[in-house]
Amino acid sequence: ELKVEQNPLFLSMQEGKNYTIYCNYSTTSDRLYWYRQDPGKSLESLFVLLSNGAVKQEGRLMASLDTKARLSTLHITAAVHDLSATYFCAVYTGTASKLTFGTGTRLQVTL
Amino acid sequence: DVKVTQSSRYLVKRTGEKVFLECVQDMDHENMFWYRQDPGLGLRLIYFSYDVKMKEKGDIPEGYSVSREKKERFSLILESASTNQTSMYLCASTTRLGVSTEAFFGQGTRLTVV
Repeated sequence: ELKVEQNPLFLSMQEGKNYTIYCNYSTTSDRLYWYRQDPGKSLESLFVLLSNGAVKQEGRLMASLDTKARLSTLHITAAVHDLSATYFCAVYTGTASKLTFGTGTRLQVTL
Repeated sequence: DVKVTQSSRYLVKRTGEKVFLECVQDMDHENMFWYRQDPGLGLRLIYFSYDVKMKEKGDIPEGYSVSREKKERFSLILESASTNQTSMYLCASTTRLGVSTEAFFGQGTRLTVV
């Protein structure tokens, strides 16, 4: 059974600081997704990572994938308050056509 | 630009009622998913479908059923709603094959069972 673990579960960081969210998964996957969710809202797609060594960047967020280690990271550079949200990783396994989510990381950026 | 549409944003139902949550996607995706989201528990997979009339149980299927009669539509059914099914329900779709790999979500349905 595929397990997806994220850490930390909660992250409070000051504006301007850097930090990384980690996503570990237990079996091979075909795609890894990162999503953002604001309170009371649905999920917004941030990145799709398809292959080992894939790196994608958008603004202050950068995601990477190491399929050998079964690890993805979401790096936040020089955080700003607007980045406060909950971030989820999700793993898609093509053989089972299943999309499994991590527990989420609630990010709070303070002044 | 709407890709995945859920039939209701908010729903209030009584205990014991049969409840239908509808999800429609316009991207010709093979895969469709139903999740529920509760505070502190993340997104838990209820059921998913990889083709018309095909369905697979997710991690928490008890008390739910699904229907996929057409490729674009995936329905979640609560046969007899109970208060512990009060939750946010999210539908998603993605391709199984092909080059497009995005997985899109509907806007969510907040269901309250009283």
